[in-house]
Amino acid sequence: GAGVSQTPSNKVTEKGKYVELRCDPISGHTALYWYRQSLGQGPEFLIYFQGTGAADDSGLPNDRFFAVRPEGSVSTLKIQRTERGDSAVYLCASSLGGGGPPTDTQYFGPGTRLTVL
Amino acid sequence: AQSVSQHNHHVILSEAASLELGCNYSYGGTVNLFWYVQYPGQHLQLLLKYFSGDPLVKGIKGFEAEFIKSKFSFNLRKPSVQWSDTAEYFCAVRTSGTYKYIFGTGTRLKVLA
Repeated sequence: GAGVSQTPSNKVTEKGKYVELRCDPISGHTALYWYRQSLGQGPEFLIYFQGTGAADDSGLPNDRFFAVRPEGSVSTLKIQRTERGDSAVYLCASSLGGGGPPTDTQYFGPGTRLTVL
Repeated sequence: AQSVSQHNHHVILSEAASLELGCNYSYGGTVNLFWYVQYPGQHLQLLLKYFSGDPLVKGIKGFEAEFIKSKFSFNLRKPSVQWSDTAEYFCAVRTSGTYKYIFGTGTRLKVLA
């Protein structure tokens, strides 16, 4: 079946602009994660959704970053007033979930490469 | 704050050589431990995971890892690597009862045919 998909695959923007990154999880997966991966680093946790609610948003670096998942499937990561330091690959993952801390496998998407000029 | 250290950033091996990639974490409580792999041009995928029980965990493609609580380590091993194991390997830790995964910086493995 279809895996996790993310759009766009690449996004180039100018400093100060607003961007939205989209994640389509695997159908039926209730848990959804966003990560940021900078060059030479591992994925950095940003936020976790269980259903429509953000169960843990402690990884969001500041209030310019916001994520939503209004219907419990597709999620959008929104970045306001982008800065050059926001340049990275933004990864999305989903898993079956179930309400408690997940013990199941995360399936990752291909990522969106964001470049802020 | 929790952290995960992968001391080997680049490893080059010949086919049939044995592999051991180090992973150490800093957290004194109960943790869940993971190894992920990213093959060239592909997505991150799970190799193996440890939650509890037998500290020696076997994963896909002949990989295994051993949790040594006293050393805060979860090293990845494979007795005989293949050219197709060329990839980047990430260790990750999650504090039991939370949703937040902490990843190491990764190890790039190149296997020479």
